[in-house]
Amino acid sequence: DAKTTQPPSMDCAEGRAANLPCNHSTISGNEYVYWYRQIHSQGPQYIIHGLKNNETNEMASLIITEDRKSSTLILPHATLRDTAVYYCIVRVAGYSTLTFGKGTMLLVSP
Amino acid sequence: EAGVTQSPTHLIKTRGQQATLRCSPISGHTSVYWYQQALGLGLQFLLWYDEGEERNRGNFPPRFSGRQFPNYSSELNVNALELEDSALYLCASSDFRQTSVDEQFFGPGTRLTVL
Repeated sequence: DAKTTQPPSMDCAEGRAANLPCNHSTISGNEYVYWYRQIHSQGPQYIIHGLKNNETNEMASLIITEDRKSSTLILPHATLRDTAVYYCIVRVAGYSTLTFGKGTMLLVSP
Repeated sequence: EAGVTQSPTHLIKTRGQQATLRCSPISGHTSVYWYQQALGLGLQFLLWYDEGEERNRGNFPPRFSGRQFPNYSSELNVNALELEDSALYLCASSDFRQTSVDEQFFGPGTRLTVL
């Protein structure tokens, strides 16, 4: 799996959008970008994934640059419950395991 | 729908002993993954079982082993426990053949403490 680079921490005010960046400059053509998050002492939770098009679901939006070398996870209206470590992972869907980096610790404050 | 379950929640052992951790996947999922989350080291992949077979293994010594049963539940065994084996052990399941998402669903984990 290709490696990713994320900022170690970010702050966000409650109700504002949280934009979490991820660099994956060595991503291969068949690798997807996955985002997971881990709330303290719980198992990680899948958020969203994409190949090259922007994606949106009930939790978040994923913006992938045209060259696919970076992406941004957007939580449109962050709440205190979104405080967690967010992991950006690139992988071939279905045929490889998840390689977690250090992720970004997002702190949402009132 | 029941999620991934793991037992026990907490496990305390002494150096040299053996630990057995158990995982029940979501109904219909054939793949089970094991991860270790030690303090300061992040989440590291241990083992992947699918349809009863070991499909992939992380960079861990042979004393970490496991198996998957016909009902797709799984056991992780850690022999000759060392202090640095103290960690949260997470199990995840997926059914990558049936979905394009290939999402892994994680259990709550087993906290292993080695004294």
